[in-house]
Parts: sequence; structure tokens; C-alpha cells
Amino acid sequence: KAGVTQTPRYLIKTRGQQVTLSCSPISGHRSVSWYQQTPGQGLQFLFEYFSETQRNKGNFPGRFSGRQFSNSRSEMNVSTLELGDSALYLCASSFTLDRENSPLHFGNGTRLTVT
Amino acid sequence: ILNVEQSPQSLHVQEGDSTNFTCSFPSSNFYALHWYRWETAKSPEALFVMTLNGDEKKKGRISATLNTKEGYSYLYIKGSQPEDSATYLCAPNFGNEKLTFGTGTRLTIIP
Repeated sequence: KAGVTQTPRYLIKTRGQQVTLSCSPISGHRSVSWYQQTPGQGLQFLFEYFSETQRNKGNFPGRFSGRQFSNSRSEMNVSTLELGDSALYLCASSFTLDRENSPLHFGNGTRLTVT
Repeated sequence: ILNVEQSPQSLHVQEGDSTNFTCSFPSSNFYALHWYRWETAKSPEALFVMTLNGDEKKKGRISATLNTKEGYSYLYIKGSQPEDSATYLCAPNFGNEKLTFGTGTRLTIIP
């Protein structure tokens, strides 16, 4: 079974640009969540989707947005990039939203550098 | 904002020694706790999902306990091996489907 696939692996963008990151979950998984990791910080929750609906959203500005498609693939978009958006962005999928029984399966992440 | 604390932040352990570290979290509205291992250049991997007070999970040399009344979980590694070197993350859930991650304990095993 293929794991969670994130593309691209690396991105370099300039301040003010926008970026779109993609995540393909494990086949059969309907939940996709996104996390940001910066040095010294834990994984900060961005948002979570289930069956194309956003279920939860973290404390990030409106420049961060996402969506999920009918095949469960998800994209996240960051507009008007700032230097502080430089981070590792991780996507994780799970079979259900039931956190008692459904651990997260993570992708390898997209490393975004904003210059 | 929910405060999830992991201690220590980093740890160096001699190969063959046993070790443990802690995850503390608010005890109210607790629903489940996840432990993940994150090796360098890899993606985080689920170790345990814990749900009941006094729940104990074991996977080979690694085990975890949970105290939901006082809001903490311990992760134990017996007879540490070089392949145990990783960052260990805990993430409680408070019934709203989302996981809140701690900053992790970075474990280095010294051969």
C-alpha cells in the first residue's frame, strides 16, 4: 500500500508570492490534516479535512487555506508569502476522525523556503 | 491554547541503558493520546494510541503508560539501541478530532 505522498519535496519562493502544496493520502483514508513545523516549535495544526469538508482549523491567518477533493487528495495554499512561512509542512492521513482508533500516517513533508 | 509539555527536551543515553520521558497535558476533556516517533530524514510514525486511565501499551522494548486523572503519560525504552535515536512526540486529543502536539523529546543513543 502506498504511503502518504507530498509534492513537491522542496520549494523556494520569494516574499509576496503564493504557493500550493499537494498531498495524496493512503488509499481509503478520508481524513487529511496539515501541520507546520518550524525550528523550536512542535507541529502546529493548520487544518483538517474529511470527505471534502474542513472539520477543524488552527490559529493561522487567512493567507493559509486548503481544500480536499472527491478522491481525498488535498492541497494547501499560502498566499502573500512571508519570511516566517519558511517551514516544513507535513500532511497526514487517517482512515477516520476517531482519534481513539485512527492514528495519523504522515508524508515526508514539503520544505518551503521563503527568501 | 492547550499546553502540552514534554520533558526533557533532549536526552543522551548510553546504548543498552533504559530511559523514560514524560508528556503532560490538561486532564479535562481528555479523549485519547498518541505517541509518534520521528527519525531524522523520515516522517513521523505512530507508536501508540492510548485511551483509558491506567492504559499501558507495549511494542517490543518500548512501552507507555497513561494517567488521565493527573494528565501525564510516560514512554519507556528498555535496553536502548542506536535505532531508537529519534524525536518522540506526544499528541493528546480532547474530543474535537484534532491532535495537539508537544515539542518532543529528542533522544540520542550513544554507542
